[in-house]
Amino acid sequence: EVQLVESGGGLVQPGGSLRLSCAASGLIFTDAWMSWVRQPPGKGLEWVGLIKSKTSGATIDYAAPVKGRFIISRDDSKNTVYLQMNSLKTDDTAVYYCAWSGVTWLDSWGQGTLVTVTS
Amino acid sequence: DIQMTQSPSSLSASVGDRVTITCRASQPISTYLNWYQQKPGKAPNLLMHTASSLKSGVPSRFSGSGSGTDFTLTIINLQREDFATYYCQQSYSAPFTFGQGTRLEIK
Repeated sequence: EVQLVESGGGLVQPGGSLRLSCAASGLIFTDAWMSWVRQPPGKGLEWVGLIKSKTSGATIDYAAPVKGRFIISRDDSKNTVYLQMNSLKTDDTAVYYCAWSGVTWLDSWGQGTLVTVTS
Repeated sequence: DIQMTQSPSSLSASVGDRVTITCRASQPISTYLNWYQQKPGKAPNLLMHTASSLKSGVPSRFSGSGSGTDFTLTIINLQREDFATYYCQQSYSAPFTFGQGTRLEIK
């Protein structure tokens, strides 16, 4: 069974930074494409970005609202994917989920971690 | 970017009903369309991928169809545990956008 556990959420001021982690188990992580999806309070799902496996070129794609501010990376030795969030805005307030992309769909999701950007 | 539009935004139905949710893409996406179910306070769960392939373990009362730009998710014989919010998502090209969601409520 695939398990994904996010951590690192919390309260941060506008303009600040935060790094989220997602530890994975139950899958061959080196082959995994890993995604981040967020959900503002009371709103719908928003795709944030994706990092492909090294064998797929480790390509990274981002949604326009976070491009240039957020960085996705992975450490295959730790079965962990990261989301470095810089220059945070109040609009970035959301629950952040990591998800395993089995192929192109989001097959398994973590429980989410809440990021609140407020002064 | 590909825009995904779901309709309706909300829907009331009764146990035992049949409901259909529609998702439209702003450009053709072949069958790169996925459906997720989310219950309050929980992470989303994959229901279906590539338009009509049911994830293992998902009840057969769920079905999906469509290709190109128009897709549907149909649930027959609604059960109490099916009342939730449903999202479509295209995985044809990045950014892999979601629809705005359809909230299915008990009538």
